[in-house]
Amino acid sequence: GQNIDQPTEMTATEGAIVQINCTYQTSGFNGLFWYQQHAGEAPTFLSYNVLDGLEEKGRFSSFLSRSKGYSYLLLKELQMKDSASYLCAVREGFGGYQKVTFGTGTKLQVIP
Amino acid sequence: DTAVSQTPKYLVTQMGNDKSIKCEQNLGHDTMYWYKQDSKKFLKIMFSYNNKELIINETVPNRFSPKSPDKAHLNLHINSLELGDSAVYFCASSQETLAGGNEQFFGPGTRLTVL
Repeated sequence: GQNIDQPTEMTATEGAIVQINCTYQTSGFNGLFWYQQHAGEAPTFLSYNVLDGLEEKGRFSSFLSRSKGYSYLLLKELQMKDSASYLCAVREGFGGYQKVTFGTGTKLQVIP
Repeated sequence: DTAVSQTPKYLVTQMGNDKSIKCEQNLGHDTMYWYKQDSKKFLKIMFSYNNKELIINETVPNRFSPKSPDKAHLNLHINSLELGDSAVYFCASSQETLAGGNEQFFGPGTRLTVL
């Protein structure tokens, strides 16, 4: 099974940088995803990490430390449209059986 | 072109009724999923299918019966609806590989309200 923890809510200022942390406990780790979900909409893929280190994609970066069971999503130059929930999701298993479990999400509010 | 589509988008029904939600993906993916997102926004896996074969069934009540007529479709039928079934149901698909790593594409969701 899996246990995924992330803060429930965060508030940050437009133009600033915010880091959303995610810790997890799992057996058979096979990757970690970050998704963005605006209110009333479907989740959309942001990033994927399977090896330790930082993955950068424009204003968004995601970091993984497998030994610590820890990841963070870094959002730079925050914009009002970044107000959304950010879901950390961990994949476990290999081959024919792979399962992705989502955390409860972090609701980010960007203020002027 | 819509990648993952679901119908209906909204569903309001009485307790005890039976209803179905349909999902189709045109991405050529092998794996499809159903998730339930409750009022607290927790996204919980219900089922996953790979090439029409059931892979994951997360202790969902047997009132919920998924059906995959082909790998592009995964429908969800719910019998004897209960108040607690009220939620948003998301269908998703991905192309799973042995190495893993492929993201899931989500449908727009079906908001089910049981009265």
